[in-house]
Amino acid sequence: KAGVTQTPRYLIKTRGQQVTLSCSPISGHRSVSWYQQTPGQGLQFLFEYFSETQRNKGNFPGRFSGRQFSNSRSEMNVSTLELGDSALYLCASSLGLAGGLRTDTQYFGPGTRLTVL
Amino acid sequence: AQKVTQAQTEISVVEKEDVTLDCVYETRDTTYYLFWYKQPPSGELVFLIRRNSFDEQNEISGRYSWNFQKSTSSFNFTITASQVVDSAVYFCALSRGTDKLIFGTGTRLQVFP
Repeated sequence: KAGVTQTPRYLIKTRGQQVTLSCSPISGHRSVSWYQQTPGQGLQFLFEYFSETQRNKGNFPGRFSGRQFSNSRSEMNVSTLELGDSALYLCASSLGLAGGLRTDTQYFGPGTRLTVL
Repeated sequence: AQKVTQAQTEISVVEKEDVTLDCVYETRDTTYYLFWYKQPPSGELVFLIRRNSFDEQNEISGRYSWNFQKSTSSFNFTITASQVVDSAVYFCALSRGTDKLIFGTGTRLQVFP
């Protein structure tokens, strides 16, 4: 099976611009989660999508948004970029068990490294 | 509140040495899951193991072994006979039953030939 793919792998943007990152999950996986990794804050959860609905959300400003399509592919958008948004953005996919005290194993993609100048 | 602590920021060993990476977690939940991931320089997080709170059995997979102790809230990871290819950042993570992982700050392991 192909793994999680993310495009693009590298992006350079300037302050004030917006950016869209894409993630294709492992075939059969219905849940996609996004994480931000920075040297200062480490790995932080952004949000999770399951069946085209946002199921869980981290503590990030509204400039960070996402969506999921019917084929489970997901996009993440950051508007009005700030210098502090420079980070490695990781996408993870899992089977997506609906509810209950269960959790899936998340498998990560290679990430998109965003640099904001 | 949930928290994962990896007190070791960086560990350096020489090839063939054994090395243990520590992970201490905090949670009030009775049902939770613990994970270890490896992040090589390429950046991708590679899944290593998952453990649920009901199962305290230790696990061995080749040169890797994991020691889960609920009494001390620890989930430590040991690499036996380390190799240069083991050099990476290792993350311990906690999940409470949703698909949100809470990560520790990571331990950078450098294995020198």
